[in-house]
Amino acid sequence: DADVTQTPRNRITKTGKRIMLECSQTKGHDRMYWYRQDPGLGLRLIYYSFDVKDINKGEISDGYSVSRQAQAKFSLSLESAIPNQTALYFCATSDTGTPASYEQYFGPGTRLTVT
Amino acid sequence: QKEVEQDPGPLSVPEGAIVSLNCTYSNSAFQYFMWYRQYSRKGPELLMYTYSSGNKEDGRFTAQVDKSSKYISLFIRDSQPSDSATYLCAMTAPRGGSNYKLTFGKGTLLTVNP
Repeated sequence: DADVTQTPRNRITKTGKRIMLECSQTKGHDRMYWYRQDPGLGLRLIYYSFDVKDINKGEISDGYSVSRQAQAKFSLSLESAIPNQTALYFCATSDTGTPASYEQYFGPGTRLTVT
Repeated sequence: QKEVEQDPGPLSVPEGAIVSLNCTYSNSAFQYFMWYRQYSRKGPELLMYTYSSGNKEDGRFTAQVDKSSKYISLFIRDSQPSDSATYLCAMTAPRGGSNYKLTFGKGTLLTVNP
């Protein structure tokens, strides 16, 4: 089984709808991250969490919220989806310390389309 | 100027060729440099990382860092069709506890033709 799983893998939704993307990991890592990947823009950090009670905004958090339900689960929500949130979303995990925190393990991604 | 610049390609080479992938950066505080490989419809996976300047070799892959020029490279020897993927450079400045934050290049799409 995959160490980092994401659901759903693909989602098409309409403008204004609320949507949740879920991430689970079995690596036992404390740190979890949400990224989006857009053609021509690369990977950008949306939110990150160092543990269940430590959640922080990344570089592009507007329009998104997150919930860390447990060490192994980290969800990303789009409260009111808009078309420019159409992208590939990745969850990642890492251990703590140096250099372990640089080795981020990515899930397979969720392809989200907002129409 | 963007913090990390990476030529998006695409780059197409014949099997067996030596491939050179590069990134430049502007933040002199970057100290850890990584290369991730991303196959189509998959998440990125860490290929190699290097601390500060110098070379690191792992099989057919060699990572080089030249901090004086703010330039990093990944060389792939005897390239194989299975190396066809997007290669992303990433780097971080670990001061002040910010060692979680990776700054990624946009990725270079490589195709190795049999």
